[in-house]
Amino acid sequence: AQSVAQPEDQVNVAEGNPLTVKCTYSVSGNPYLFWYVQYPNRGLQFLLKYITGDNLVKGSYGFEAEFNKSQTSFHLKKPSALVSDSALYFCAVVGSARQLTFGSGTQLTVLP
Amino acid sequence: DAGVTQSPTHLIKTRGQQVTLRCSPKSGHDTVSWYQQALGQGPQFIFQYYEEEERQRGNFPDRFSGHQFPNYSSELNVNALLLGDSALYLCASSLTSGAPGRGDTQYFGPGTRLTVL
Repeated sequence: AQSVAQPEDQVNVAEGNPLTVKCTYSVSGNPYLFWYVQYPNRGLQFLLKYITGDNLVKGSYGFEAEFNKSQTSFHLKKPSALVSDSALYFCAVVGSARQLTFGSGTQLTVLP
Repeated sequence: DAGVTQSPTHLIKTRGQQVTLRCSPKSGHDTVSWYQQALGQGPQFIFQYYEEEERQRGNFPDRFSGHQFPNYSSELNVNALLLGDSALYLCASSLTSGAPGRGDTQYFGPGTRLTVL
């Protein structure tokens, strides 16, 4: 069975500082990894995905993520956080089962 | 270009009733997936429809059923509602690019908030 772990329920960071939201996964076969963001009372917005190739993936709104196969991790990063980045972030994986499996989410708060 | 749309936005039902939720995919997409998101949790995969057939199903009982129409829109039906069915129901659409299609990006609608009393 495939699974995703987001070890931090809450991440706080000051505006202008770099941010990291952690994600580790477990899947049989090659993973397809995704990051989504959810604002209050809204659906999920796609940020970026890793399929194959370069381990550093760049996405929307200045976000990027680094795939690390040996550590089975796919951490989301941004060099300089904005207050508007405050939201709920979900990591997800698609393995051999074809279905999208999400983590429990990390609430990011960027403090002005 | 309209994104994924869902209706209704909110719904209140009582235990034992049946409910139908609707989804129109993003233009050009042919695949629809449904997810249940309970409060404070990540979305849980219910099932996926492609070419009017259920292609993949998550760990949900048979009370949850669906349908995809020739125009790729989809319905989610839940029978014999339980209090635990209260959640945000999300529809996502994608374009199946070929086997196995596991890298296809799913785009989500705003969801339907179902409350079961």
